[in-house]
Amino acid sequence: IAGITQAPTSQILAAGRRMTLRCTQDMRHNAMYWYRQDLGLGLRLIHYSNTAGTTGKGEVPDGYSVSRANTDDFPLTLASAVPSQTSVYFCASSASSGHNEQFFGPGTRLTVL
Amino acid sequence: GQNIDQPTEMTATEGAIVQINCTYQTSGFNGLFWYQQHAGEAPTFLSYNVLDGLEEKGRFSSFLSRSKGYSYLLLKELQMKDSASYLCAVMDSNYQLIWGAGTKLIIKP
Repeated sequence: IAGITQAPTSQILAAGRRMTLRCTQDMRHNAMYWYRQDLGLGLRLIHYSNTAGTTGKGEVPDGYSVSRANTDDFPLTLASAVPSQTSVYFCASSASSGHNEQFFGPGTRLTVL
Repeated sequence: GQNIDQPTEMTATEGAIVQINCTYQTSGFNGLFWYQQHAGEAPTFLSYNVLDGLEEKGRFSSFLSRSKGYSYLLLKELQMKDSASYLCAVMDSNYQLIWGAGTKLIIKP
């Protein structure tokens, strides 16, 4: 693994289904983030984790949950998908939650029908 | 509320210079970032400003005026590969990034 990876690359999902987007980094970064990117809007923070074992809510957390059991992994779960969750999802990490640049994964393109 | 404004789209000619502006209103300020994002790809870091003034890095420079809530990204000697979206983001008092919608830069030969 080099950097930060996400899976799947893309997914089409029926409304009401549960889905987990995976994110793994090998840079030993303390902080990790989940964003969604929609056309015409800036990246919006869904959830974040400043260190393993802690998580926090971002700007648009409703309908999403996260966990941070270890340093490397930060999965994002949609408990019951809705069409408004159709988006491109980016996972990112940074050395710490302060003034550090964030490194982004390649993204997951999710379509909810 | 928190707000980041940048032009939606700009067009420039190969070999020329282009300036992309960003204005912001945020709750607190802990630095301003510029990222580049090619179509279908992830954002990649370009620059970080926390003090007023100009930061130069090769063909790219970034300027910040905290009193005016203003930054710009200057791209010199434009190349076709510079066609991308440029994202301005401000780190607020909670150390969270607030993102602009991005400026799509189109380079013409």
